[in-house]
Amino acid sequence: GESVGLHLPTLSVQEGDNSIINCAYSNSASDYFIWYKQESGKGPQFIIDIRSNMDKRQGQRVTVLLNKTVKHLSLQIAATQPGDSAVYFCAEWAEYGNKLVFGAGTILRVKS
Amino acid sequence: DGGITQSPKYLFRKEGQNVTLSCEQNLNHDAMYWYRQDPGQGLRLIYYSQIVNDFQKGDIAEGYSVSREKKESFPLTVTSAQKNPTAFYLCASSPGRVTEAFFGQGTRLTVV
Repeated sequence: GESVGLHLPTLSVQEGDNSIINCAYSNSASDYFIWYKQESGKGPQFIIDIRSNMDKRQGQRVTVLLNKTVKHLSLQIAATQPGDSAVYFCAEWAEYGNKLVFGAGTILRVKS
Repeated sequence: DGGITQSPKYLFRKEGQNVTLSCEQNLNHDAMYWYRQDPGQGLRLIYYSQIVNDFQKGDIAEGYSVSREKKESFPLTVTSAQKNPTAFYLCASSPGRVTEAFFGQGTRLTVV
């Protein structure tokens, strides 16, 4: 159903600290997950992905963890920088891979 | 350059008028998607198409219509039946199911 009226949670971190952004997904049959970054007024950009046969995947300064038991994803950003300030969304492929469904999103604010 | 182009970036329409948002991709992707984003909220799926001449309703299809006559094009019409059309509209495409999806830069529609 619609989620009109809900607003995104905010995570504030100090520049140089590590950030952890969490996401709960809904479909236990989902087997591919993506993290996106969205800057103000722009379309989402791919950050990192993970398949359900993995628990962890690392990229440049980012790590995604997948806990299938509790249907939970997390995105860890190391040494957070001001340019990391954005909204972060997790997304899962639902309905046997026909629909890409987004989670609620988290606003990351980096304090200098 | 390959990518997804949404036009126009900003669109103003009077209440009661239908309006069509353009989405074109030159990535040779089979699948295309339309999302709606309201201020401070996540992305909600309006319509999606896995192949030319076929499309399915997403979670909030009421008041919207689409067509997929060509692989590279997936226009979205916001009809007068949409009760609150003012929003940020995002188009995406993917090579197929369960793969990375790429987004356009969005169209901000304001109905006055």
